Amino acid sequence: KQEVTQIPAALSVPEGENLVLNCSFTDSAIYNLQWFRQDPGKGLTSLLLIQSSQREQTSGRLNASLDKSSGRSTLYIAASQPGDSATYLCAVKPTSGTYKYIFGTGTRLKVLA
Amino acid sequence: DAGITQSPRHKVTETGTPVTLRCHQTENHRYMYWYRQDPGHGLRLIHYSYGVKDTDKGEVSDGYSVSRSKTEDFLLTLESATSSQTSVYFCAISGAGLRTDTQYFGPGTRLTVL
Repeated sequence: KQEVTQIPAALSVPEGENLVLNCSFTDSAIYNLQWFRQDPGKGLTSLLLIQSSQREQTSGRLNASLDKSSGRSTLYIAASQPGDSATYLCAVKPTSGTYKYIFGTGTRLKVLA
Repeated sequence: DAGITQSPRHKVTETGTPVTLRCHQTENHRYMYWYRQDPGHGLRLIHYSYGVKDTDKGEVSDGYSVSRSKTEDFLLTLESATSSQTSVYFCAISGAGLRTDTQYFGPGTRLTVL
């Protein structure tokens, strides 16, 4: 059974710092992996999607990498800002052919001004 | 925004009463999902739909049923609500355009069962 883990559960950093969020999954047979952002009381917003054949995706200050063999993905945030404060979740889509996604429990990020 | 609305946004009900949550999309996405989000558990899939009248169970489907009679609407029904179903419920869609795998989420419904 695929399990997705995000450690740490919470993280506080000073503004301007570069940071890395981690996502681990137990079964390397995935179709793709997505990173989402969730603000308090809101729904999730998709940030980046990495297909299993890709190693990384970039959008602005965000860079997501994928290492299937080790069961890991990282989300790199450059020059963090207070507006980046949110919960970040990753989700994997198994290769089973269904459209089910399996989510991690998220990392709650706080960027201090 | 991906054109997803959920109704109601907040609901308080009593144990044993039926409850129906509605998800409406304007994007003609093929796939629709219902998740619940609880502290310590993250998002867990309840049911999903891969077309009109085509649905399948997720990992926490007990006590829930769904229906999709039109592309744009996906209903989640709690036949007899229990306190363990107090949660925030999110609808999501995917499967259209160039970004077919990207999931777009609605704003959520906060349900409290007393």
